[in-house]
Amino acid sequence: QQPVQSPQAVILREGEDAVINCSSSKALYSVHWYRQKHGEAPVFLMILLKGGEQKGHDKISASFNEKKQQSSLYLTASQLSYSGTYFCGTEISGNTPLVFGKGTRLSVIA
Amino acid sequence: DAGVIQSPRHEVTEMGQEVTLRCKPISGHNSLFWYRQTMMRGLELLIYFNNNVPIDDSGMPEDRFSAKMPNASFSTLKIQPSEPRDSAVYFCASSSRTRSGELFFGEGSRLTVL
Repeated sequence: QQPVQSPQAVILREGEDAVINCSSSKALYSVHWYRQKHGEAPVFLMILLKGGEQKGHDKISASFNEKKQQSSLYLTASQLSYSGTYFCGTEISGNTPLVFGKGTRLSVIA
Repeated sequence: DAGVIQSPRHEVTEMGQEVTLRCKPISGHNSLFWYRQTMMRGLELLIYFNNNVPIDDSGMPEDRFSAKMPNASFSTLKIQPSEPRDSAVYFCASSSRTRSGELFFGEGSRLTVL
């Protein structure tokens, strides 16, 4: 049931864009995105509940394609502060716990 | 507001010893989760509680692991006896299902079993 994230790691220069994908073999109720900085706890970024829904958080946005059972996280004009590991978490219903992917390590360099 | 509070932050113990990790969820949250994080497996769900009742413990690796939630403000994860392969960061998280379901994580307990 663990969602699959790609890529596993990406290195960007400041100002570049990146896309992180999350796909599931099961129909999804929701997708969550979290970011974890080294040595810290994961922090919530956003949740997507509806098929085709898109949300934004500053220059970080995400989409959820319910039919394809996948979600993508878009980071535009990346900043050094975006560095960290990004996790998607998926729910198959409103009463099931989040199952996380293995994460995508993002490094933004000057 | 205080977030999720975990203790201890770091624990180093010898194989065979008992380990108890503690968690205080955010007041008013009715769901509590224990996750384990390793490089190989990422964030694995061990067990979760709704309204202090264990709902799903299928992620608990072995009988050596047990978790309790005696009241709405306290939970423990116990490993007895501990083994080197239990070394990991253990996170506790809480959420309110009546809201967005966002998980609030504690700072984690880093366990090293020698």
